[in-house]
Formats: sequence, structure tokens, C-alpha cells
Amino acid sequence: NFMLTQPHSVSESPGKTVTISCTRSSGSIASNYVQWYQQRPGSSPTIVIFEDVQRPSGVPDRFSGSIDSSSNSASLTISGLKTEDEADYYCQSYDSHNRVFGGGTKLTVL
Amino acid sequence: QVQLVESGGGVVQPGRSLRLSCVASGFTFGGYGMHWVRQAPGKGLEWVAVLSHDGSEIYYADSVRGRFTISRDKSKNTLYLQMNSLRIEDTAVYYCAKDPWLRGSSGYFDYWGQGTLVTVSS
Repeated sequence: NFMLTQPHSVSESPGKTVTISCTRSSGSIASNYVQWYQQRPGSSPTIVIFEDVQRPSGVPDRFSGSIDSSSNSASLTISGLKTEDEADYYCQSYDSHNRVFGGGTKLTVL
Repeated sequence: QVQLVESGGGVVQPGRSLRLSCVASGFTFGGYGMHWVRQAPGKGLEWVAVLSHDGSEIYYADSVRGRFTISRDKSKNTLYLQMNSLRIEDTAVYYCAKDPWLRGSSGYFDYWGQGTLVTVSS
């Protein structure tokens, strides 16, 4: 099984741009899609990026996803930060029989 | 709209059993794979198990294999998680989650329930 490693926390000011990384420990990051979930305090997770770069309907285009094979990592970028973006963010991928989550990143917008 | 409503959580002693339920609505339940995902208090998300739309594929996380059983009753639009030999480290909020692909397996989750808390304590 592989692991996904995220920074424990990031912080940025409203209106700025933040990028959260997710590094795969073994196997290619490009071999299976990466998803990103947002979890606000006291709420269930909701998906904000699927299949590396796709945004579900209703998710603002301030949210974008990418993958970088050279660093074997995926990234979630949020531009024009709003206080409502403050939440925990989890990356997720899979292999044939397992679904794997990163440890989560707490985003503080201050 | 898609709704997933979990129930069955509570406080249970180590070694005992508990069965969780997840009632689905707003989509053709029998056409989609379903998952259980858990989150220990203050911790991250951990995938637990998946059941394919047709029941032909069932997989478990190493941490629960041999103790937990995922199943579904299509006539009741309900997903279950039978949890046996519970351990203190099984304490978590348990979410059911839906696969987005009709009659397929995408590897991810498009809708989540609100969760039900299981506390394993003596």
C-alpha cells in the first residue's frame, strides 16, 4: 500500500492564493486519479476536486487541482481566499483494492 | 437529491458487536458501489470498506478485515456495516459514502452521509 503525505497546516490571508501539496510514497501519482475533499468543522466531507483536475458543479473556479509527476505529487490551489474556505482538506487516491487518504491539512484564513 | 442517513452508533464495550445502517435515497441504490469511511475523534479520514453495485467485489482495510462485514439490502435501500470484536481504536464517526460511477468503481466518493458516532469503551 502507498501513503499520501500532506502538510499538517497552512495559513494565508483573505484574497491571497494558497497551495496544498499531496505526495504519493510509492507508485506513480499519475497511475490513479487524485481527489480533494473539504471538511468544515462539525460537517461531513464534500468533494471539491475529482479526477486530478475536475471541479464538481457548484464548486467555485477558485479551486483547482493539478498533478506533477516529477515530484510525484498532487496539489490543490485555492485563489482569492475567503474566510469560508477555512477547513480541513484531504487528498485521496486508490489502487486496485484500497482507497487511501492523506492525513489532512488544516487551512487557516486569517 | 442524494441523501445518505446513517444510524446505529452508540457506546459499546470492547469485544462486543454493533451494526450500522445507512439509508439511501435520491438515486438508484442498486446501481452504485457504496463505502464506509471512518474518522477517529480529532483525526483524519480512514477508508473502511467497499461493496460494488452488484456485490461481486468487497474489499476491506487491513485494520478491520476479518472483524467487519459490509452488506446491503436493495429492497430497503440500505447499506450495513456489521462490526464484531470491537476495539477501543475503532472509536470513530462512521460515514457511508457513494461511488459516483453507475455500475462501475471510480475509486472515490461523491456523496457522504452525516455520520454516526461509535464509541468503544469499558
